[in-house]
Amino acid sequence: GAVVSQHPSWVICKSGTSVKIECRSLDFQATTMFWYRQFPKQSLMLMATSNEGSKATYEQGVEKDKFLINHASLTLSTLTVTSAHPEDSSFYICSARDQGTSTEWRQFFGPGTRLTVL
Amino acid sequence: AQSVAQPEDQVNVAEGNPLTVKCTYSVSGNPYLFWYVQYPNRGLQFLLKYITGDNLVKGSYGFEAEFNKSQTSFHLKKPSALVSDSALYFCAVRFSGGFKTIFGAGTRLFVKA
Repeated sequence: GAVVSQHPSWVICKSGTSVKIECRSLDFQATTMFWYRQFPKQSLMLMATSNEGSKATYEQGVEKDKFLINHASLTLSTLTVTSAHPEDSSFYICSARDQGTSTEWRQFFGPGTRLTVL
Repeated sequence: AQSVAQPEDQVNVAEGNPLTVKCTYSVSGNPYLFWYVQYPNRGLQFLLKYITGDNLVKGSYGFEAEFNKSQTSFHLKKPSALVSDSALYFCAVRFSGGFKTIFGAGTRLFVKA
């Protein structure tokens, strides 16, 4: 099946710094990528949807200036957590959809990135 | 409000016994329903989906799920559990024609040898 990779798998940073997380679709072109945040023992919460070459659509309550998303190519999307604070510590998961039909498109998930802000 | 509920945080079952992981949803229209499994340090993996047709859907690794429209449920089942089935399972709903997917809180399955 299709593979989505994330880098890094884990990162520790100091409060106030910025962190960039990469999401790549390795063997397919992803017109749309999704960024989720997963809290312990909680569900995946959709943060934003990004389409290649256009601005991301953020979910209500997600600060677009804090979580910068760039989807510059059909195989790469990046999430930058700017001026990170301890409350941003979480597990971030990206997902990419293939180019199936409107009823048949599939969603593939990366392994996640654990962010710890000290 | 649109929502997906997985009422059990954890399900424990002995190897060889049947297992059920519950999921109910509250959405308008005719949603697409999914089950995913998450192993440690790995991305969510697709198990099965229901879009339309037969209410009993068969998926990967011997799992199946039954769509019940009147009860708005989509429970995941397997006739005989394996220790290797131990993982975190997510039920999800996607709105027809759209991209947004809502996930349940997840149910951790423990299969004891």
